Amino acid sequence: ETGVTQSPTHLIKTRGQQVTLRCSSQSGHNTVSWYQQALGQGPQFIFQYYREEENGRGNFPPRFSGLQFPNYSSELNVNALELDDSALYLCASSHGGRGWDTEAFFGQGTRLTVV
Amino acid sequence: RKEVEQDPGPFNVPEGATVAFNCTYSNSASQSFFWYRQDCRKEPKLLMSVYSSGNEDGRFTAQLNRASQYISLLIRDSKLSDSATYLCVVNPQTGANNLFFGTGTRLTVIP
Repeated sequence: ETGVTQSPTHLIKTRGQQVTLRCSSQSGHNTVSWYQQALGQGPQFIFQYYREEENGRGNFPPRFSGLQFPNYSSELNVNALELDDSALYLCASSHGGRGWDTEAFFGQGTRLTVV
Repeated sequence: RKEVEQDPGPFNVPEGATVAFNCTYSNSASQSFFWYRQDCRKEPKLLMSVYSSGNEDGRFTAQLNRASQYISLLIRDSKLSDSATYLCVVNPQTGANNLFFGTGTRLTVIP
């Protein structure tokens, strides 16, 4: 077990709705990154949080937003859900933030289905 | 052009076979390279880091060729438990500190 937990594990939402996904990072880790993995594809970087601030963002629209809390847990929010948002959402926990200094540990993911 | 490209496979090999996966990356300034393994409907897990000098971990050998921007993974004496998707991963360290993943190569080891 990696010590990174995500909730919920599965979720079904309707197009146009909003969703919040949660991630608890591994103890001692201060950096959380979020990835979207569509079926048959590799994970795609959404954004990273380091010490409660956004530390980089991938090619995702503003309706994807995030937050990191003082205990370094994190949320991913997606507004105005579209069918193409259906994917496995992965959270990765690491320590550092200025380079991939430590191994990134992934949570088990949240499988989101938009209907 | 994608940041990381790899052959999606599938590779179906008999137990005991040697199999090699390759991938290429587009950013010549990339700093860190990895192979991750992902089992069906599970999260990716680090298999090994890849260094210019090459590195070996048991039956697994990884190589990096910076001049050709090419990364490889060799698995010797394949086991049934090696069946998984192998993801080639690059960290460009451009400040965002994110990982770029290939689409993954699916391996099935057949008894």
